[in-house]
Amino acid sequence: DAGVIQSPRHEVTEMGQEVTLRCKPISGHDYLFWYRQTMMRGLELLIYFNNNVPIDDSGMPEDRFSAKMPNASFSTLKIQPSEPRDSAVYFCASSNIRELYQETQYFGPGTRLLVL
Amino acid sequence: GENVEQHPSTLSVQEGDSAVIKCTYSDSASNYFPWYKQELGKGPQLIIDIRSNVGEKKDQRIAVTLNKTAKHFSLHITETQPEDSAVYFCAASISPQAGTALIFGKGTTLSVSS
Repeated sequence: DAGVIQSPRHEVTEMGQEVTLRCKPISGHDYLFWYRQTMMRGLELLIYFNNNVPIDDSGMPEDRFSAKMPNASFSTLKIQPSEPRDSAVYFCASSNIRELYQETQYFGPGTRLLVL
Repeated sequence: GENVEQHPSTLSVQEGDSAVIKCTYSDSASNYFPWYKQELGKGPQLIIDIRSNVGEKKDQRIAVTLNKTAKHFSLHITETQPEDSAVYFCAASISPQAGTALIFGKGTTLSVSS
């Protein structure tokens, strides 16, 4: 299996621009998580989906952030408009909880976002 | 909600020494405690986990202990090697409640010098 795939790996943009991050979870996984990692705040959960349905988006910092999962193999995290404080590494993770004690979350390589 | 505290934030050891990282959690309902290792430029990877019905678990040079009464758990790495250098995160959640989010500690940067 290829693991969780994220694109792009690096993104540099200017303040005010729209940014779209993409994630392909591991095939067969029914949960997808978006995290943000910064030095100051560590790993923060932004939102997660179960069977393509958003379950908890309480971690989304503000209305500028939105996430979608149109099908089981693709999710996007969009920031519009972007601000310098959004600069961080964004991780996508997926898991398969159909079987008991199989809740390990597998992380992608992350997208390093820099907003100038 | 759950809060996970992790100490120390940085740890430097000589190759061959042992390393111990400690975490405390606040929600007594939490029952699943994974540890992740993050190497530079990569996403976190699970290295070991423990559930609340177990006090200790070992996997070769790594072990995790859990004290439910005190609400703390620890990662032990023996015979450290330079390739153990990374950032380690502890986490807690309520399992097997499907999809319960992991709450992560702030991480420990482990440096192993040869």
